[in-house]
Parts: sequence; structure tokens; C-alpha cells
Amino acid sequence: NAGVTQTPKFRVLKTGQSMTLLCAQDMNHEYMYWYRQDPGMGLRLIHYSVGEGTTAKGEVPDGYNVSRLKKQNFLLGLESAAPSQTSVYFCASSYLGARTEAFFGQGTRLTVV
Amino acid sequence: KQEVTQIPAALSVPEGENLVLNCSFTDSAIYNLQWFRQDPGKGLTSLLLIQSSQREQTSGRLNASLDKSSGRSTLYIAASQPGDSATYLCAVMDSNYQLIWGAGTKLIIKP
Repeated sequence: NAGVTQTPKFRVLKTGQSMTLLCAQDMNHEYMYWYRQDPGMGLRLIHYSVGEGTTAKGEVPDGYNVSRLKKQNFLLGLESAAPSQTSVYFCASSYLGARTEAFFGQGTRLTVV
Repeated sequence: KQEVTQIPAALSVPEGENLVLNCSFTDSAIYNLQWFRQDPGKGLTSLLLIQSSQREQTSGRLNASLDKSSGRSTLYIAASQPGDSATYLCAVMDSNYQLIWGAGTKLIIKP
């Protein structure tokens, strides 16, 4: 039972490079989320999606873009990476948003040098 | 703006003790409150979800309470074990259906 799978697990980027993080879920969930986690802080929502073809901004969307072309996949893109984007990124999904528990991937540790 | 605070930031106790982790939030207009566990280098695992209309939820040795009016939740762990060592995160679902997170309590259970 895969649940929520994130790829890659680790990545080092140079400032200005671009990359895409992939999140895949096999639970037929409508809601998907991208968070970042920084030391000493709670998780912060970057973008989220309430269904295939929809996306919305979260608390810290600047510098990131997302796409939800297929229900099971939620992609997070960094067009021009900056050192401030060094963080651990988590993807999550849930069935009915507020009323149900969220399931998380194992995280992607991104370092921008 | 909703803010979630977890105290203490770190806690170390001997095995077998009962313990309480605290979570407070500033805006009582929430849909639910969730407790998660995070192990080093791994993702988050949902432990308990308390709907805003509920007062508590139990799962095995874990019991979570919610007092919405005072903006507080506690996670009670009975008969702690070394395997309970992890970071425990609290999150509230706000009126915009977004999870607002505390910074977590790092728990160490000493054998």
C-alpha cells in the first residue's frame, strides 16, 4: 500500500536552477497539499488543490508553481531556486478536506546552494 | 490570524511515565484539531483527529482532548515507551479549510 509517494527524496540545486517535485497518491483523494517545513517552525502551506485541474495559493506561494493535471498527481515546481527555498517539502492528501485525516509523504529534502 | 503554539518544545521522561503534551490556538473558529507524529527523516503520521463538536478522542494509549472555548488541546500518552520517541505536531483546521501548524514537541523516552 503506497499511500502518498514523493520523488525525489533528496536534491541539491544551484541558485537559479529549476526543478519539479512529484507527489503521487493512490487513495483516490480529492484534496492534495504541498507544505514546507523549516527548523523551529510549523509546516506552512505552499499551494493546494481541491480536485483535478484546480489549484489554489496557500500561505507561502511565492517562488512556486503547481499543477494537478491528473487526480492522483500534484506537481510542485521551482522555476528559479533561491537559498531561501532550502527546506523539507511534504506532500499530503485527504479525502474530504476538513473532515478527514490527512496522509503525508515521506518528504523531500531540498538544499539550494 | 490563527496561531498555534506547542509547549514544551522538548521533553525527556523515563519509560513508563504518563505524560501530557500541550497545544494552544488563538482563534476558536476551527473545524477540527489533529495530532500527528513525525519520526526523523520520515513523513507525518496522523494520530488523532478531533472534530470541533467533540471533546476528546482515544486511540490505544493516546487520548486527545479539545477545549475550543479556551483554545487548548492536550495529548495524553499513557505508560510511555521508547518507541514513542518522536516529534508530536498539533494542527488546527481553520475557517478557510487550511491546516495551521504548531512547531512541535520533541519527545524522548529514556529506557
